[in-house]
Formats: sequence, C-alpha cells, structure tokens
Amino acid sequence: AQSVAQPEDQVNVAEGNPLTVKCTYSVSGNPYLFWYVQYPNRGLQFLLKYITGDNLVKGSYGFEAEFNKSQTSFHLKKPSALVSDSALYFCAVRVLSGNTGKLIFGQGTTLQVKP
Amino acid sequence: EPEVTQTPSHQVTQMGQEVILRCVPISNHLYFYWYRQILGQKVEFLVSFYNNEISEKSEIFDDQFSVERPDGSNFTLKIRSTKLEDSAMYFCASRSRDRGHVNTQYFGPGTRLTVL
Repeated sequence: AQSVAQPEDQVNVAEGNPLTVKCTYSVSGNPYLFWYVQYPNRGLQFLLKYITGDNLVKGSYGFEAEFNKSQTSFHLKKPSALVSDSALYFCAVRVLSGNTGKLIFGQGTTLQVKP
Repeated sequence: EPEVTQTPSHQVTQMGQEVILRCVPISNHLYFYWYRQILGQKVEFLVSFYNNEISEKSEIFDDQFSVERPDGSNFTLKIRSTKLEDSAMYFCASRSRDRGHVNTQYFGPGTRLTVL
C-alpha cells in the first residue's frame, strides 16, 4: 500500500532562518509527489510536485523540495523563512494504480515562523 | 487564474438531515474528486469521478453518499442522512487529463459541515 509520513507535527523556525518540513513515502514504482499548503480557514494550495527529472524541484513562494530516492524522502525547504509562511503543510503521493489519480496525504506539519 | 469554487462555505445541519455540497471545478478539467478532513486529522480521499461515473471510492463513501454532475459545470456531493461523525471540512478538487504529464489536482476552499 502506498503511504506518506510527515514525522513532525510542528516545526518552529525564526524568521530569516532556513526551514525544512520532512516527508517520507512508501510506493511501489516511481512516485509522484506533491506539497500543498493550507492557511487557516482556506483550502489546499498547490506548492510544487516531483514527477521525474531533477531531484530539486522549485515551486511557489520560494519553496523547493528535494527528492531522494534512496531515502524515500521529499523534504520541503526554503532558504529564508517568512512569518507569512506559517501554515499547515501537507505532503501527498499520487496513487499510480488505475486511472483515478487520487492523492494520499500525510498527516500534515504545522510550520510556525516567529519574528 | 481559474479556480475551484465551493458552496456553501459553512453548512450546519441536524443529524439525519440530507445535505448537498456544491463545487464548480475548473472548466476544462475532466477528473473530479471529493476529500474530507476531520478536524485535526489528515485529508482523506472519498471519491473520484470521471466520464460521468464514479471511478473509485473509499470505504468511507458508503450508501449514504452520492455524487453527481448535473450539468456541465457543477459537481455535487450528497449525504442522505447525516451523522455526527460526518462533521468535517469537505474539499472538492479537479484536474485535467494527463497527456504525457502528471497533472496537478487543484482544490477548492472547502465546505465546513457541522452536524448537530
């Protein structure tokens, strides 16, 4: 079965410092991986995805993610955090079987950026 | 920029009542989804819909749930007889067909359903 794990419920960083939000996955075959962000009382906003190619993927708002096949990880990173980055972040994997393309989500990580 | 919209933003209902949650997917998208998020928990897949039929449903999606695309723009989720445990945020999502490229699902802002 395919699954995603986000080992940290919350990540705290100071504004201006680099941030990492961790994600590991378990899939059969090549993974299609996504990061979404959820601001309070808002929907899920797409940040970036890894399908194939370069292991470092760049996305919206200065975020990037590094795909590591040997460690089955897809950590979200940003070189310099902003207070406005504070939100709930979800890692997801797209199910490869069938044609539905449903997403399986991790449990989410709350990012708190302090001034 | 096109976006997925959902109405209402918040629905309060009594246990046992029927509710219909509405979604307008992005206009050229062909695959439609409903997910739910119980407060404090992860986002869970409910159902996918393509070519006017359900393509996959989760074990959560029992006989009390149904989906419909009544016209060319709306996509609805109906819960026939709501239970307390149906209280959650319900997200609609849509994507276009993959053509040699894995396309992204775009999510609506959600409908918060509260069952009393």
